Amino acid sequence: SQQGEEDPQALSIQEGENATMNCSYKTSINNLQWYRQNSGRGLVHLILIRSNEREKHSGRLRVTLDTSKKSSSLLITASRAADTASYFCATDIIQGAQKLVFGQGTRLTINP
Amino acid sequence: EAGVAQSPRYKIIEKRQSVAFWCNPISGHATLYWYQQILGQGPKLLIQFQNNGVVDDSQLPKDRFSAERLKGVDSTLKIQPAKLEDSAVYLCASSLWGRGNTEAFFGQGTRLTVV
Repeated sequence: SQQGEEDPQALSIQEGENATMNCSYKTSINNLQWYRQNSGRGLVHLILIRSNEREKHSGRLRVTLDTSKKSSSLLITASRAADTASYFCATDIIQGAQKLVFGQGTRLTINP
Repeated sequence: EAGVAQSPRYKIIEKRQSVAFWCNPISGHATLYWYQQILGQGPKLLIQFQNNGVVDDSQLPKDRFSAERLKGVDSTLKIQPAKLEDSAVYLCASSLWGRGNTEAFFGQGTRLTVV
C-alpha cells in the first residue's frame, strides 16, 4: 500500500505564480523527500528533509515538515513552464526494515 | 559519475510470455530498488536490496515475479508468466544507505507492454 498521499492530484497555474503541493503520510519516518518526474522519464530527486527539521530551502523550492500532523508541503515560487511535471513525495519509513515509499503524486501544469 | 543504467528501454510481449529487466546501479551504492509505475500512479516498491540481501519484498507478486542481485551489484527482475495488468514502467533506483543518505537515483525505466 502507498504511504503518502499528495494533494491536490492535479494543479494548473499561470507562469510566475507560486505552486503549493501537500503530502500526508501514515507512519514514523526518518526523512521525507520530494521528486519530480517529467513525462516519460525517470524521477529526479529535488530535496530531502529530515524528521528533526521543520523547513528547508533549495533555490525556488521550500519544503516544510510537520511530524505531529504527519504532513509536508512543497512550495515552488515564481513558477516556469519547465516546472510542468509530476511531483511525488517519498517517505523513508521505519516499519520493520527501512524502505522508501512513494505517494501518488501531483500533476503540475504551468500555463504560459 | 555514471547514472543508473537499465535495459531494455521498451519491451512488448504477449501475455503468458516471460520477460527480464536488467539494472546496473551507481558504483558504491549498497541499496537497490525496483519499482513498478502504472500510468497515472506513483511508483510502487516491489523489492529492495541491501547489498545482495532482500530488505523488503512484501509487494512483490512472488508467484510470477522474481528478482536477484548477485554479488551485490547489478540486478535482474523477471516476470513469468506476464499478465495484461503487468503493463507498466519498471524503474530501478539505487542509493547509499545510512540515516540521512537515502536520496535515490533513478534509471530511465523499462516500459513494458503486455498484449
